[in-house]
Amino acid sequence: KAGVTQTPRYLIKTRGQQVTLSCSPISGHRSVSWYQQTPGQGLQFLFEYFSETQRNKGNFPGRFSGRQFSNSRSEMNVSTLELGDSALYLCASSWGGGRYYNEQFFGPGTRLTVL
Amino acid sequence: KNEVEQSPQNLTAQEGEFITINCSYSVGISALHWLQQHPGGGIVSLFMLSSGKKKHGRLIATINIQEKHSSLHITASHPRDSAVYICAVSNFGNEKLTFGTGTRLTIIP
Repeated sequence: KAGVTQTPRYLIKTRGQQVTLSCSPISGHRSVSWYQQTPGQGLQFLFEYFSETQRNKGNFPGRFSGRQFSNSRSEMNVSTLELGDSALYLCASSWGGGRYYNEQFFGPGTRLTVL
Repeated sequence: KNEVEQSPQNLTAQEGEFITINCSYSVGISALHWLQQHPGGGIVSLFMLSSGKKKHGRLIATINIQEKHSSLHITASHPRDSAVYICAVSNFGNEKLTFGTGTRLTIIP
């Protein structure tokens, strides 16, 4: 079974631009979560999508948004990029159903550099 | 104060040594997770615990729910164990993880 894939793996943008990152979950997984990792703040939860609906959201400004398609693939978008948005963006997928936490499987990440 | 605290932040040891990494949390949780991150970024889930102890090969994870504390142990450490080990917690009903700051482990041959 193929793992979680993220594209692109590396991205360089300039301040003020916008960016879209893509995540393809493991086949059969319906939940996709996004995380930001920076040297200063560590790993932080951005949001989670389940069956095309945002189910959870972290404490990030509205410039960070996402969506999920009917095939469970997910995209996240960051508008009006700031230098501080430079980070490794990780997505993770899980089955997502049920009352309890489902094990998440992480993708390799997209490293975004904002100049 | 962070909801999830890890110690130590950095750990260097000789090959073969017994390694312990600690994690304390201050919130109610449904599960505690130990993750491993190698250079390059990829994260692998090592353990998910809600009580007691789990063992996988040379890795052992324990949790004390009353004391809100967990430990990750590595026996007979090897240079390939060099990585960042991250403790995270999850709550009922959702996939959101709250992370500790990580422990950078370096095993010297």
